[in-house]
Amino acid sequence: QKEVEQNSGPLSVPEGAIASLNCTYSDRGSQSFFWYRQYSGKSPELIMFIYSNGDKEDGRFTAQLNKASQYVSLLIRDSQPSDSATYLCAVNPSNTGFQKLVFGTGTRLLVSP
Amino acid sequence: DVKVTQSSRYLVKRTGEKVFLECVQDMDHENMFWYRQDPGLGLRLIYFSYDVKMKEKGDIPEGYSVSREKKERFSLILESASTNQTSMYLCASSWGQGAVSPLHFGNGTRLTVT
Repeated sequence: QKEVEQNSGPLSVPEGAIASLNCTYSDRGSQSFFWYRQYSGKSPELIMFIYSNGDKEDGRFTAQLNKASQYVSLLIRDSQPSDSATYLCAVNPSNTGFQKLVFGTGTRLLVSP
Repeated sequence: DVKVTQSSRYLVKRTGEKVFLECVQDMDHENMFWYRQDPGLGLRLIYFSYDVKMKEKGDIPEGYSVSREKKERFSLILESASTNQTSMYLCASSWGQGAVSPLHFGNGTRLTVT
């Protein structure tokens, strides 16, 4: 079983819709969770992180964490064509003292005008 | 803003060559990392360092070594390049020991070994 799993997509949504990206992880003791966005040919850039159960909002982005069910999700409201990218979920497992992140393979998002 | 600079954007090397990939960060970060990224496999950690002259193996260290002589610089070395090391290499840095310290990535080096 992969440690961090994401649906590879592509997830296609129309402009203005809500895009919902999901990620599950296997280490129940994982501490912190990150969402990175990666445009084609570019390096990943941090969107947001979350470490407490519940929701965390930052502009059009909301991260949701449910440790009991071992999933973390990213909602993008009012999706724009510029949001078209691959979204990487990353998890800090419980057996590391710091930022030895484990990444999922990413979900490709396509936002059509 | 944190800047992580990788010395080369594209590299083409021959099988058996010794290859150096350089990475410099300008934010006095303690931690530095080397990942490789391959289609379908995602980002995989090769080596990381949490202090000068300290290094730790990641998930796929075979065929690689690293050097960190100064805090701001972390080098990845391919002792004898092989075709299966053709990949995108990403350097990253982060501060401190906190569990929520995010990674800041460089622009990547696309290495082709022929």
